Amino acid sequence: QKEVEQDPGPLSVPEGAIVSLNCTYSNSAFQYFMWYRQYSRKGPELLMYTYSSGNKEDGRFTAQVDKSSKYISLFIRDSQPSDSATYLCAMRFTGGGNKLTFGTGTQLKVEL
Amino acid sequence: EAGVVQSPRYKIIEKKQPVAFWCNPISGHNTLYWYRQNLGQGPELLIRYENEEAVDDSQLPKDRFSAERLKGVDSTLKIQPAELGDSAVYLCASSPRDRTDTQYFGPGTRLTVL
Repeated sequence: QKEVEQDPGPLSVPEGAIVSLNCTYSNSAFQYFMWYRQYSRKGPELLMYTYSSGNKEDGRFTAQVDKSSKYISLFIRDSQPSDSATYLCAMRFTGGGNKLTFGTGTQLKVEL
Repeated sequence: EAGVVQSPRYKIIEKKQPVAFWCNPISGHNTLYWYRQNLGQGPELLIRYENEEAVDDSQLPKDRFSAERLKGVDSTLKIQPAELGDSAVYLCASSPRDRTDTQYFGPGTRLTVL
């Protein structure tokens, strides 16, 4: 079993829909949680960063962390075709030299 | 601000041949990472540098992979000899000293081993 599980998709939604992307993890020592967006043929770019449990909002994006369930989510409101990309969750322990453990990524397509 | 630069962007080689990838991090970033991303997977860390020192190379297959970061700026990752299973995208990332949780990724080098 992988430390971080993520549904690979693909997930197809109409423009304007609310998108929910999720990851589960097995190691309760993870404390820092991130979401990266990766366009085709590009490197990942950091979207959201949260520490421990709770919510964080940035524009159309909301990240949620539920440590009791070992479950994290990324919500995208009013999705746009430009949001079409692969979304990777990542997490790390306290200390650990910033070593990130990534999920496999969920491929999202927002259609007109 | 220029991003992380990697070259080449694409490389096709025969198995058992050597190959090298180059990375120029964002100016002033002292931490540099090399990742490998297999198709349909997330990136996996190969090696991390703090300045010119390799502080985490536990995931680097040292029998065929090597890396260096002379003068704590540019870095080179080498594979010799390459195997079919090495086909992947090799990503370089860097982060600044005061925001080590923020990693900035380059576009990657897509390696195909035939």
